[in-house]
Amino acid sequence: SQTIHQWPATLVQPVGSPLSLECTVEGTSNPNLYWYRQAAGRGLQLLFYSVGIGQISSEVPQNLSASRPQDRQFILSSKKLLLSDSGFYLCAWSAGMRAFFGQGTRLTVV
Amino acid sequence: DQQVKQNSPSLSVQEGRISILNCDYTNSMFDYFLWYKKYPAEGPTFLISISSIKDKNEDGRFTVFLNKSAKHLSLHIVPSQPGDSAVYFCAAKRNYGGSQGNLIFGKGTKLSVKP
Repeated sequence: SQTIHQWPATLVQPVGSPLSLECTVEGTSNPNLYWYRQAAGRGLQLLFYSVGIGQISSEVPQNLSASRPQDRQFILSSKKLLLSDSGFYLCAWSAGMRAFFGQGTRLTVV
Repeated sequence: DQQVKQNSPSLSVQEGRISILNCDYTNSMFDYFLWYKKYPAEGPTFLISISSIKDKNEDGRFTVFLNKSAKHLSLHIVPSQPGDSAVYFCAAKRNYGGSQGNLIFGKGTKLSVKP
């Protein structure tokens, strides 16, 4: 069966510090991978999606970047965090009509 | 431009009664709709879906209705249970890949089921 791992679960980072959130998927090949953010009162906002290694598309302009160095690995990064980057970040994968989500990372930028 | 709208941020229902969560969409090209349930500090989990070729899909206590002409769908939970208390997200997508095939979510409705 397929599983998705996302870590860390919580993170407190100072403004201006770098960020790296990692997500890995097991039990499937060539999945579509996604990073979403849930900010207060704003639902689930799609940040990045990837249909293959090295292929990243951004949905919204922002302070973050994403990379897919391996088929089942998706990384969300920032060189310098802003206060507005605080939120709940979710990695997801899909190989059909549904998306399956990780447990999320609560990022607080202080 | 919000393509998927959940206009009720919260809903409170008595245990045993029906919960009705509503969702509207603007993009007529959407042809697949999903409901996800989310508990605090967890990722959303898939609940039920419906294709645009149907107007109803039922799974146990959960039923999703789709009104394509009104671009409206609703999730009915009956009977509601306290464990149903969570945030419910409506999502829509177009049935092909690329950016158009990505799930677009509403802002969610927080359901509280009172014992």
